[in-house]
Amino acid sequence: DAGITQSPRYKITETGRQVTLMCHQTWSHSYMFWYRQDLGHGLRLIYYSAAADITDKGEVPDGYVVSRSKTENFPLTLESATRSQTSVYFCASGGQGYTEAFFGQGTRLTVV
Amino acid sequence: KQEVTQIPAALSVPEGENLVLNCSFTDSAIYNLQWFRQDPGKGLTSLLLIQSSQREQTSGRLNASLDKSSGRSTLYIAASQPGDSATYLCAVRTGANNLFFGTGTRLTVIP
Repeated sequence: DAGITQSPRYKITETGRQVTLMCHQTWSHSYMFWYRQDLGHGLRLIYYSAAADITDKGEVPDGYVVSRSKTENFPLTLESATRSQTSVYFCASGGQGYTEAFFGQGTRLTVV
Repeated sequence: KQEVTQIPAALSVPEGENLVLNCSFTDSAIYNLQWFRQDPGKGLTSLLLIQSSQREQTSGRLNASLDKSSGRSTLYIAASQPGDSATYLCAVRTGANNLFFGTGTRLTVIP
């Protein structure tokens, strides 16, 4: 299916475990983003990527790692999950220039 | 740092009413502004994108305006329907790498 998909949709993990959230887009958009959404904070940028093999930090990058070996995939890894990382995570993509951003359905992550 | 504010945080209106949602931002140096809709437990659906050089955009019953110099945008919804009930988010783009989001207006349209 065309679009942007995230997996899993829901995840429960334990404190200290590593967990990876997946994001895949079929538009060949240059830019991809990871946001987290928390009550009272709205959406905040974690990391973004301008192209394959080019990534950079956003507003709240601590505790997260990203990679982008292929244009269509942008996984987000929590190296050692903490309860403060309980959140809803959204992946987004957009084309070159200042174009429209499209979002995935989100991953609800609970760290216990 | 860019700050985006949406007022009111929640709004209830009877079906059929026209309504306006407000978005303000502190730094007028933006490239564009995007309005999104978010249904409970779902992702963000793009509604309208207004480039900084534009004053308004329309899609069906939705009309978004942008006054960059005053740091304001409005989303006008005509003849509201219960299916319009959702949270509406505005976001401003300050560079290729980021959108700054407001915390949203939760709209309830009462049948």
